[in-house]
Amino acid sequence: DQQVKQNSPSLSVQEGRISILNCDYTNSMFDYFLWYKKYPAEGPTFLISISSIKDKNEDGRFTVFLNKSAKHLSLHIVPSQPGDSAVYFCAASAWSNDYKLSFGAGTTVTVRA
Amino acid sequence: EAQVTQNPRYLITVTGKKLTVTCSQNMNHEYMSWYRQDPGLGLRQIYYSMNVEVTDKGDVPEGYKVSRKEKRNFPLILESPSPNQTSLYFCASSSQGSGREKLFFGSGTQLSVL
Repeated sequence: DQQVKQNSPSLSVQEGRISILNCDYTNSMFDYFLWYKKYPAEGPTFLISISSIKDKNEDGRFTVFLNKSAKHLSLHIVPSQPGDSAVYFCAASAWSNDYKLSFGAGTTVTVRA
Repeated sequence: EAQVTQNPRYLITVTGKKLTVTCSQNMNHEYMSWYRQDPGLGLRQIYYSMNVEVTDKGDVPEGYKVSRKEKRNFPLILESPSPNQTSLYFCASSSQGSGREKLFFGSGTQLSVL
């Protein structure tokens, strides 16, 4: 049973607008969350992370929000650019075993010119 | 250049024929891991290694073996491949562990088992 869920397989957004990617988790032991970005024919690359002691982390155009009570996090990309077209994976780690990382199924983002 | 190198990029084989996918990193990382990516399931962890001679099962270890005899190498072995192991495989490494540090991924190995 997947403990990290990305319920939107795809997202299409116009260039310059905001992209919002959502991620839900079921394991209450998760306390660290990461987003990875993947282009075709390449491996995933780290994008941004957030610890459960925070509710927001920002890095340039990318902001991740964490709502612990709802077991929900979201990634905002503002403004969206054509180079942001990729698959985005949400991942989570638990303090009890941080050698293991659980990934969601991914959301494919397409930025339209 | 810091990188994780997997070989081969593409592999087509037949059921039951043993194969090895190699993985090597040049960053002196302690931690290495294997994942498989399947449509609708995302990345699932197969095995991981915290250091030389220390390995442990991930979420989907059945049908796979690994070894970590040297720090830089972490091969994935399929002793008797089956069609349900057709997948896109990624090797990854980080300096200490996966949960709190960013992983560096290889470019992937697309495996087809006929």
